Parts: sequence; C-alpha cells; structure tokens
Amino acid sequence: NAGVTQTPKFQVLKTGQSMTLQCAQDMNHEYMSWYRQDPGMGLRLIHYSVGAGITDQGEVPNGYNVSRSTTEDFPLRLLSAAPSQTSVYFCASRRRGLNYGYTFGSGTRLTVV
Amino acid sequence: SQQGEEDPQALSIQEGENATMNCSYKTSINNLQWYRQNSGRGLVHLILIRSNEREKHSGRLRVTLDTSKKSSSLLITASRAADTASYFCATDAVETSGSRLTFGEGTQLTVNP
Repeated sequence: NAGVTQTPKFQVLKTGQSMTLQCAQDMNHEYMSWYRQDPGMGLRLIHYSVGAGITDQGEVPNGYNVSRSTTEDFPLRLLSAAPSQTSVYFCASRRRGLNYGYTFGSGTRLTVV
Repeated sequence: SQQGEEDPQALSIQEGENATMNCSYKTSINNLQWYRQNSGRGLVHLILIRSNEREKHSGRLRVTLDTSKKSSSLLITASRAADTASYFCATDAVETSGSRLTFGEGTQLTVNP
C-alpha cells in the first residue's frame, strides 16, 4: 500500500495564482484532513472530512477550498495565493471510529512570492 | 489557537538517558496521541491513549494521561540518536463532520551520541 500520497512535493506560486494540492489514500479511510505547518506554530487544521460529500472547516480555512467526491481523494484548492500561505501542507487520513491514529503524507512545501 | 502546549520546547540529552515531554490541553477529548516528525518529513503516529486510560506502554514509550489536570506526558526510555526528532501531542475530538486533531507546538528532542 502507498498510504497517503501528496503531490506536488514542492511548488512556487506567484501572488494571485491558484492551484490544487492533491491528496490520495489507498487505505479506504473515511476521515481525511489538511494541515499547514509553519515554523514555531505546530500544525493547524485547515479543512477536514468524514467521507465523500461531507467536509467542514478547521482552524484556518480562509483562502482554501476542499471537496470530497470520492473516499480516496481530498484535494485542497488555493483560490488566490498570498505570501501568508507560504507553508508546508500535510494531508492525513484515518479510519472511522473513536480511537485510531492518523497516517500522514510526506507534505507539500509551498512558497508564494 | 493551539489546543496543546508542550513543555519543554527543546530538550537535549545523551544517548541512553530518558526523555520526558509534557503536554497540556484545554477541552474535552476522546483521546490524546503522540507523533514524531523527523526533519523535513511527515508525521508518524507513535501512540494513542484513550480518555479513560491513565497509562499506556509501547516498546520504549510510556504515555500517561491525567484528564483532571488536562495533561499528558511522553517518556522515551534508553534514548538513541535515531530518536532525534520533533515530538507533537495531539488531541482528537470526533464530530459529526469528522475528526478534529489539534496539535501542540512540539518538543524538539536531540539525542547526542
């Protein structure tokens, strides 16, 4: 199994550009989440989902959109990139239930200039 | 805002010594989890302790949870140079729209050979 796959690994955007960060998992996990990690601030939750068609906002959702059309995929869209969105983005998934840990992808390092 | 606060922010020890990291949180939880992150990599799930458990062991890891004080500790015994990494606690609250995993800011552990 590949686990959680994130693409691309690195990306440089100009301010105002849009792009989609891809996340796919092959473990049939119902729960998926997106986080951003900034120096000194740990990981902050952007959006999360319990299954296809159901998403909700996390702590820092502004400037990002998500949709979940399949169990496997959970793309994160940046609508109009800003320098404040320079960060490392992690996608994670886990199975439904109360007491399971998350499997994380290897991350996408995004720089907005 | 971050759910968890970790203490210390940085810890440097010698190989063979024990390392203890502490985590405090603010709200009710279903469980508390600990993750490891090697530099430039994704997070790896280490151990999960349920809200009705007080202590849990996994290999060289020992986790305690005190829900009355809203705090947890992670003990790594007989540390190795390969344990050098950042360690994060995270609390999990399961909601209708999914699972919200909220992270502390992490402890940077350095194990010197």
